[in-house]
Amino acid sequence: EAGVTQSPTHLIKTRGQQATLRCSPISGHTSVYWYQQALGLGLQFLLWYDEGEERNRGNFPPRFSGRQFPNYSSELNVNALELEDSALYLCASSSLGNTEAFFGQGTRLTVV
Amino acid sequence: GEDVEQSLFLSVREGDSSVINCTYTDSSSTYLYWYKQEPGAGLQLLTYIFSNMDMKQDQRLTVLLNKKDKHLSLRIADTQTGDSAIYFCAHRSGGYQKVTFGTGTKLQVIP
Repeated sequence: EAGVTQSPTHLIKTRGQQATLRCSPISGHTSVYWYQQALGLGLQFLLWYDEGEERNRGNFPPRFSGRQFPNYSSELNVNALELEDSALYLCASSSLGNTEAFFGQGTRLTVV
Repeated sequence: GEDVEQSLFLSVREGDSSVINCTYTDSSSTYLYWYKQEPGAGLQLLTYIFSNMDMKQDQRLTVLLNKKDKHLSLRIADTQTGDSAIYFCAHRSGGYQKVTFGTGTKLQVIP
C-alpha cells in the first residue's frame, strides 16, 4: 500500500512569489494535515482538511491556504512568500477518529 | 498555551541505553506519541501511550509516563547507529488536529 506522497521534494522560490505544495493521502484516509517544520523548531500545525472542508487552522497568516479535492488529495498554497517561510512542509493523513496519522517525506521550500 | 519541551541533543555510545525526556503543560492529554525523523525524511511513528497508562514496552523501546509531573520519556535499549535521528514527542488533546509537537531531540550514536 502506498504511503503519503508529497510533491515536489524540493522547491526554490523568490520572495513575493507563490508556492504550491501537493499531498496525496493514504488510500481510504479522508483527513489531511499540514505542518511547517522550520529549522530549530518543532512541527507547527498549519491546516486540517477533512471530507473536502477546512476543519481547523493553526496560528498562521491568511496567505497560507489550501484545499482538499474530491479524491482527498490536498494542496497547500503560500502566497507572497517571505524568507522565513523557508522550511520543511509535512503532510499527514488519517482516517477520522484514528489514533495516529501517517506522514509524508515532506517538501523542502527555500525562499531566496 | 500548550508547550512541549525536549532537550535538543543527546549523545550515547553504541550498545548503551538512551533516554529521551519530554515535559508538557497540557493536562488534558489523551495520547502521547514518540516519532522518529531520519535525515531528509518525514516523521515515523515509533510508539504511543494512552494517558491513563504509566508504561508501555515495545521491543527495545520503553515509554514511561508520569502524568502528575507531565513528564514522558523514551528509553531505547541497546542503542544502534541506525537509531541516530531526531526524536519528537507529541501530545494530543482531542482529535489529531490537536496534536502538539516538541522541538525534537537529536540523538547521536557513537560507534
